[in-house]
Amino acid sequence: EIVLTQSPGTLSLSPGERATLSCRASQSVSSSYLAWYQQKPGQAPRLLIYGASSRATGIPDRFSGSGSGTDFTLTISRLEPEDFAVYYCQQYGSSLTFGQGTKVEIK
Amino acid sequence: EVQLVESGGGLVQPGRSLRLSCAASGFTFDDYAMHWVRQAPGKGLEWVSGISWNSGSIGYADSVKGRFTISRDNAKNSLYLQMNSLRAEDTALYYCAKDMTQWLVDAFDIWGQGTMVTVSS
Repeated sequence: EIVLTQSPGTLSLSPGERATLSCRASQSVSSSYLAWYQQKPGQAPRLLIYGASSRATGIPDRFSGSGSGTDFTLTISRLEPEDFAVYYCQQYGSSLTFGQGTKVEIK
Repeated sequence: EVQLVESGGGLVQPGRSLRLSCAASGFTFDDYAMHWVRQAPGKGLEWVSGISWNSGSIGYADSVKGRFTISRDNAKNSLYLQMNSLRAEDTALYYCAKDMTQWLVDAFDIWGQGTMVTVSS
């Protein structure tokens, strides 16, 4: 099973700042089968990025994904108030697993 | 409107069974694989099971293998999860989610709001 480790556990930032979230896999993720989701309290997760770098429908371009192999990054270029949430990475190249999540909180 | 609506959750004793359902609307259900994902209170996401468009490919997390059975009825636009031999650690909010492709090889672009399962005596 591929284990995904997200860092940091919590990111404290102010609106307008840049957020950089990391997702590291225990083995190479084939074909960059890596997705990112956003979850707000009391809501279902929402797909942000798939295929490591493709934005899902309706996702603003301040969200971007990059990486390959075992190291992946989600970048939010300028944090908006609605971006404070928990973010999960997921790999779907070998079975399916999620990372433990990174909480982006207001500083 | 594209929508997934889960039902069937509730309070159940350890060792008993429960069947979850997910009703899909707003898209061609039999064109896509479907999944169940759960989230224990205050915890992260855990993939539980997935089924391809034609039920030809099915997968389970090790934590539920042999106890849970996923199925679908394309004529009824519905997904199911039969959960047997339930344990306290199965307590979670169970989400139904749509795959972006026919097979179990892509991200999940549509999620339901979840149905809560509580396993307790």
